[in-house]
Amino acid sequence: NAGVTQTPKFRILKIGQSMTLQCAQDMNHNYMYWYRQDPGMGLKLIYYSVGAGITDKGEVPNGYNVSRSTTEDFPLRLELAAPSQTSVYFCASSTLAANTGELFFGEGSRLTVL
Amino acid sequence: QKEVEQNSGPLSVPEGAIASLNCTYSDRGSQSFFWYRQYSGKSPELIMSIYSNGDKEDGRFTAQLNKASQYVSLLIRDSQPSDSATYLCAVNTGFQKLVFGTGTRLLVSP
Repeated sequence: NAGVTQTPKFRILKIGQSMTLQCAQDMNHNYMYWYRQDPGMGLKLIYYSVGAGITDKGEVPNGYNVSRSTTEDFPLRLELAAPSQTSVYFCASSTLAANTGELFFGEGSRLTVL
Repeated sequence: QKEVEQNSGPLSVPEGAIASLNCTYSDRGSQSFFWYRQYSGKSPELIMSIYSNGDKEDGRFTAQLNKASQYVSLLIRDSQPSDSATYLCAVNTGFQKLVFGTGTRLLVSP
C-alpha cells in the first residue's frame, strides 16, 4: 500500500518558470490537501479538496493552482515561480470520518527557486 | 485569521524526564485538537488527538485540553532520545482543515 505519493522529491526552478507537483493517494480518501512548510515554521494550507471536481483556497493560495479530476490525484501547479515559493511542499489526504484529524502525508517535495 | 501558537524551543530535557509541550489557539469555536510529531526531514505523523476538556492518555503520552483557557498541552513521560523531534499542535477549523502551529523542537539528551 503506497499511501500518498509525491513527485518530484527535489526540484530547482529558475525565477519565472512553471512546474507541477504531483500527488496521488491510493486510500480512496475524499479529502486532499497541499501544505507548504518554510524552515522552522509550521504548515500553511495552500489549497484543499473535499472530492473530485471540488477545490478551495487555504491560507496561502497566491501563485498556485490546483485541480482534482479524480479521487486519487491532486496536482499543484506553480506559475511564474518566485524565490518566496522556496519551501517544502506536503500533500496529504484524509477520510470523511468525522473530525479524526488524521492527515496522511506524503514524503514532501523540496522546491528551490533561484 | 485563526491562529495556533507554540513556543519554538528548543525544549531540552534529560532522558527519563517529563517533557511538557504547550499550545494556545485563538478560535474559541474549535472542537478538535491534535499533536503531530515530525522528525527532521520527514513528514508529520499524528500521535494524539483530544476533543473534550481534561486528559487523554496513550502510553507515555498525555494530551490535556482546557477550552476555557484555549490551551492544549502534551506531556511525554519517561522521555527517550528517540522522542527528539518537532511537535506540531493542530486545530481543526472545519471540513477537516487543520491549522498548525509553528512547532516546538524537543531535544532529549541521553
